[in-house]
Amino acid sequence: KQEVTQIPAALSVPEGENLVLNCSFTDSAIYNLQWFRQDPGKGLTSLLLIQSSQREQTSGRLNASLDKSSGRSTLYIAASQPGDSATYLCAIGGSNYKLTFGKGTLLTVNP
Amino acid sequence: GAGVSQSPSNKVTEKGKDVELRCDPISGHTALYWYRQRLGQGLEFLIYFQGNSAPDKSGLPSDRFSAERTGESVSTLTIQRTQQEDSAVYLCASSLDPGITQYFGPGTRLTVL
Repeated sequence: KQEVTQIPAALSVPEGENLVLNCSFTDSAIYNLQWFRQDPGKGLTSLLLIQSSQREQTSGRLNASLDKSSGRSTLYIAASQPGDSATYLCAIGGSNYKLTFGKGTLLTVNP
Repeated sequence: GAGVSQSPSNKVTEKGKDVELRCDPISGHTALYWYRQRLGQGLEFLIYFQGNSAPDKSGLPSDRFSAERTGESVSTLTIQRTQQEDSAVYLCASSLDPGITQYFGPGTRLTVL
């Protein structure tokens, strides 16, 4: 059974800092990996999708990497802004592409 | 350009009652997923629909839970004889095809008293 762990559980940084969120998973037989953000009272917003054959994806200030052999992914956020404050979720796509989620990292970016 | 929509946004019910939750996926999306998020827990997969194929029900926690989808349109998740442990946010997601980005709805917050 796939297990997904996200570290740290919470992170507070001053505006402008670069930061890294970590995700680890136990079963390297994955189809894809998706990073989401979740804002209070709202659904999930997809940030980046990495297919199992890829090693990274970039979108704006975000960069996600995937190392299947070590069971790790990182989400790098450059020049953080208060609007980046949210819970960030890592999800592993398994058979039928159903997602197994970590519990998330609560990010607070202070002005 | 509507996204995934879900109704109701909030539902409060008494223990033992049946509830029905609705999901409208993005038009043209063949894959539809239901997840739930209990307080303090990560999101859990419940059920997956792909076109006219038999659904993947492997995540349903008990036989009180069932879901239907007609073609590639609306899906309903039904919980019979609700229990307090069913209290959670139920999220629906759809994707154009399996294996690509899943787009999530805002969820239905279910509270069982």
